[in-house]
Amino acid sequence: DAGVTQSPTHLIKTRGQHVTLRCSPISGHKSVSWYQQVLGQGPQFIFQYYEKEERGRGNFPDRFSARQFPNYSSELNVNALLLGDSALYLCASSLAERLGGYTFGSGTRLTVV
Amino acid sequence: KQEVTQIPAALSVPEGENLVLNCSFTDSAIYNLQWFRQDPGKGLTSLLLIQSSQREQTSGRLNASLDKSSGRSTLYIAASQPGDSATYLCAFKAAGNKLTFGGGTRVLVKP
Repeated sequence: DAGVTQSPTHLIKTRGQHVTLRCSPISGHKSVSWYQQVLGQGPQFIFQYYEKEERGRGNFPDRFSARQFPNYSSELNVNALLLGDSALYLCASSLAERLGGYTFGSGTRLTVV
Repeated sequence: KQEVTQIPAALSVPEGENLVLNCSFTDSAIYNLQWFRQDPGKGLTSLLLIQSSQREQTSGRLNASLDKSSGRSTLYIAASQPGDSATYLCAFKAAGNKLTFGGGTRVLVKP
């Protein structure tokens, strides 16, 4: 059974550009969350989606947006990239909205130059 | 503000020693607490999940305890091996549908 898959694994973007990161949850999982992890720190919550609706939003600027599709996969979009957006972006899926644990993907390493 | 503190930030032990990793949190109304392992540049691997009604969970050489009243969780790794070298993160889930993470403990097990 496939785990949480994220694409791409790495990418390099220039300041001011836009980026789209993709995530496919474990089959049967309806909740997808996004986290940003800066080097040397713990992950910070960005968004949670459940059944295609936004259920939680972290303290990130409006340049960050996300959506969940009918097949429960998700996209994270970041506009007007800044150098400080360079980080590992992690996607996690869970079976239910509130209960149970999370399974994380391998992440997308974004470098903004 | 919900916070998680992990002590120590880094730990180096010889192979075979037991590891004790500490996690303290400020929110007593948690739904559950999860311990993760992270290898350099990689994603998170779930180790143990403790529901708020439970006191501990065990998996092989790993044991995690939870004391909600004092806001503490401890991860024990018995008979450490060089392959246990990694960063260990704890995170709790409470209202707000998010995991709140600590900064992690970086572990090095020397052969």
